[in-house]
Amino acid sequence: DSGVTQTPKHLITATGQRVTLRCSPRSGDLSVYWYQQSLDQGLQFLIQYYNGEERAKGNILERFSAQQFPDLHSELNLSSLELGDSALYFCASSFREGAGNTEAFFGQGTRLTVV
Amino acid sequence: DAKTTQPPSMDCAEGRAANLPCNHSTISGNEYVYWYRQIHSQGPQYIIHGLKNNETNEMASLIITEDRKSSTLILPHATLRDTAVYYCIAGGSNYKLTFGKGTLLTVNP
Repeated sequence: DSGVTQTPKHLITATGQRVTLRCSPRSGDLSVYWYQQSLDQGLQFLIQYYNGEERAKGNILERFSAQQFPDLHSELNLSSLELGDSALYFCASSFREGAGNTEAFFGQGTRLTVV
Repeated sequence: DAKTTQPPSMDCAEGRAANLPCNHSTISGNEYVYWYRQIHSQGPQYIIHGLKNNETNEMASLIITEDRKSSTLILPHATLRDTAVYYCIAGGSNYKLTFGKGTLLTVNP
């Protein structure tokens, strides 16, 4: 158990819909990272927050947005869903602001299926 | 993050040491070498990281060459549960970890 909690574990929704994925970081961790893993793309970095502020953006679509709340949990919002958005979405957390010289702990992921 | 090159797959016999190589010839001086693994669609798991010196923890050893252009992850006594995709990442000096395709290590009985 990494200490990072992601909910829900599985999500099935229709195209055009909007969903929210939730992540609770390890106790004491201030950074949250979101990754998308699809079969043909591997693990793709989406976005990172540190103590409530956005710190880095990766290949995140405009239809996707995220935020980190004062209690440090984070939500990833996916809207106007397309079939290609079907993937595993992982959240990770770390204590430090950046990924340097520290380990990141990953949750077990949310499997999103868009039908 | 610096580009890394890993073999796509490797086999290892159970109980033997697994040595996973990684090439990161463009690594810069302040970039770390990280190893993570992912067991069948579970969340990636941190294994070890280092900058210049060799490192060892309860899971593995990391050997970094003196010129830092390559490294080797050593699992001293591989078990069937070590079958996973192993990712070598060179970087992390910014805010993200960039995962490549990794090496699928299969531990055989």
